[in-house]
Amino acid sequence: DVVMTQSPLSLPVTLGQPASISCRSSQSLVHSDGNTYLIWFQQRPGQSPRRLIYKVSNRDSGVPDRFSGSGSGTDFTLKISRVEAEDVGVYYCMQGAHWPPTFGQGTKVEIK
Amino acid sequence: QVQLVESGGGVVQPGRSLRLSCAASGFIFSNYAMHWVRQAPGKGLESVAVISYDGSQKYYADSVKGRFTISRDNSKNTLYVQMNSLRDEDTAVYFCARDGGDGYNMIDYWGQGTLVTVSS
Repeated sequence: DVVMTQSPLSLPVTLGQPASISCRSSQSLVHSDGNTYLIWFQQRPGQSPRRLIYKVSNRDSGVPDRFSGSGSGTDFTLKISRVEAEDVGVYYCMQGAHWPPTFGQGTKVEIK
Repeated sequence: QVQLVESGGGVVQPGRSLRLSCAASGFIFSNYAMHWVRQAPGKGLESVAVISYDGSQKYYADSVKGRFTISRDNSKNTLYVQMNSLRDEDTAVYFCARDGGDGYNMIDYWGQGTLVTVSS
């Protein structure tokens, strides 16, 4: 299985400041169809995951533009330009290029 | 709007069986592949199984292969997973999730989950 490694696992941030989460895969996530199948989810406390970003950098409808995704191959990043209180939760990357889909361990974002 | 509502969770003894259901609404269910994903208490997310839009293709994680069976009834807009020979390590919240269809395993919407506790 493809191993997804996130860092950091815990991220205390100050309101209004930027935050960045790294996700590295053990294999390239570039599919034979040319697309890169990397997703970012947000899971707020007590809630189900919510998709924020798909195929590396495409923001889902309704997701604030302070969230952005970037990267290629095996190295990906989720950035929050200015953290707000509602951003508290655990963020997961997930790869869909290889079966089974696998998730990172999660990064817990909290306010300092 | 897309809604996925899981049911069927509960407490079950090791070695016993349980069937989970996921009722879908707000979209054309028969057009989408569907996933089961689980989350052990306080832990991360683990893919369990996926089924194609028409039920013809099914894939399972190694941890559940031979014990779990994913299925769907498109006439009832419902996804199922039959879980046999349950083990302690199957204890988790089980989510059903829609595959957005824009490629491979592009999960977009999740249900609220149903808790399965395997314990004697």
